[in-house]
Amino acid sequence: QKEVEQDPGPLSVPEGAIVSLNCTYSNSAFQYFMWYRQYSRKGPELLMYTYSSGNKEDGRFTAQVDKSSKYISLFIRDSQPSDSATYLCAIRNAGNMLTFGGGTRLMVKP
Amino acid sequence: SAVISQKPSRDICQRGTSLTIQCQVDSQVTMMFWYRQQPGQSLTLIATANQGSEATYESGFVIDKFPISRPNLTFSTLTVSNMSPEDSSIYLCSVLTGEYGYTFGSGTRLTVV
Repeated sequence: QKEVEQDPGPLSVPEGAIVSLNCTYSNSAFQYFMWYRQYSRKGPELLMYTYSSGNKEDGRFTAQVDKSSKYISLFIRDSQPSDSATYLCAIRNAGNMLTFGGGTRLMVKP
Repeated sequence: SAVISQKPSRDICQRGTSLTIQCQVDSQVTMMFWYRQQPGQSLTLIATANQGSEATYESGFVIDKFPISRPNLTFSTLTVSNMSPEDSSIYLCSVLTGEYGYTFGSGTRLTVV
């Protein structure tokens, strides 16, 4: 079993839709939870960062963490074609090491 | 957050040769990381490079194949040695800056023919 599992997609939605991206993890020692966005031919860029259970909102993006279920989600409201990218969940342990999920490719169609 | 310049952005290399990838950061950072991202896959950590010490390699990666230099707090290189087509991948450097920040370079797209 991989330490971090992510729905692979690809996910295709119409513009304006609500998008839900999900990951599960196995190691309860993981402490910090991140979502990265990666456009084609670019490096990943940090979207959201959280360390506690609950929701964290930033504009159209909401990160949700449920430590009891070892489940993290990223919601995108009013999705735009510019949101089309690969989204990677990443979890960090106390030793500053990141473990990435496999990535979900999202396509938002105008 | 830090700004990373990674070179080259892409290269096509003959099997059996070596390629050195450079990563320059605009600020001093303690920890630098090298990742591999195979086509359609997620990121896999190759090694952690701290200035003044030997790089720490993850399982499945060895120094003879992926030698790393870290001469100062703003620069690192990764060499992919004796390349084969299986080494075709995107190689990314990353730095840890501040409380949150893992910043990534734009990557080196390597094709081995």
